[in-house]
Amino acid sequence: AQKITQTQPGMFVQEKEAVTLDCTYDTSDPSYGLFWYKQPSSGEMIFLIYQGSYDQQNATEGRYSLNFQKARKSANLVISASQLGDSAMYFCAMREGNGQNFVFGPGTRLSVLP
Amino acid sequence: DGGITQSPKYLFRKEGQNVTLSCEQNLNHDAMYWYRQDPGQGLRLIYYSQIVNDFQKGDIAEGYSVSREKKESFPLTVTSAQKNPTAFYLCASSIRTGPNYGYTFGSGTRLTVV
Repeated sequence: AQKITQTQPGMFVQEKEAVTLDCTYDTSDPSYGLFWYKQPSSGEMIFLIYQGSYDQQNATEGRYSLNFQKARKSANLVISASQLGDSAMYFCAMREGNGQNFVFGPGTRLSVLP
Repeated sequence: DGGITQSPKYLFRKEGQNVTLSCEQNLNHDAMYWYRQDPGQGLRLIYYSQIVNDFQKGDIAEGYSVSREKKESFPLTVTSAQKNPTAFYLCASSIRTGPNYGYTFGSGTRLTVV
């Protein structure tokens, strides 16, 4: 069974608008971390934001925020004021408390239009 | 600056050859990982290591081998038994395992069979 689901293979957004990239996860472990990474066409993976399962507040990092809805098991990434440089693949990932490694979702390709 | 160095950036392999991808980190991280990424897809775990001289198979270990003789180094060998090795390979490290610890990634090696 998929542990991380990203239902949007591709998204388009107009420059300067906000966009939400969806991520749902599945775990029975009460302790877990949720991460978002950006992968530009060059291939490197860039860490964007982290949310711990016990965190009470939604995480924010600059233009990135994470809409964490624990009961729904969703961890959507919100990018405000999109820029052309935001065009990339975006991966949601989870690390469980008893897990040795990450589980990645299939990714969402975001294209920012001028 | 601390980071992960992967080399080479591009690698071409003839049918039947073994090739070795290098991954070196100077972050003093305990855990290291190898992932494979096929075009338009997510990351799949090949091997990981939590400590020197110890490593475990991931989801797609067949046709690959690794070693961890030094904390800083985690080379991946793609053997001739790997029938479809053309892919993008990413090395990552983590200071330790656990839900709060993210990955630092290298810039990747693109392997092509010719």
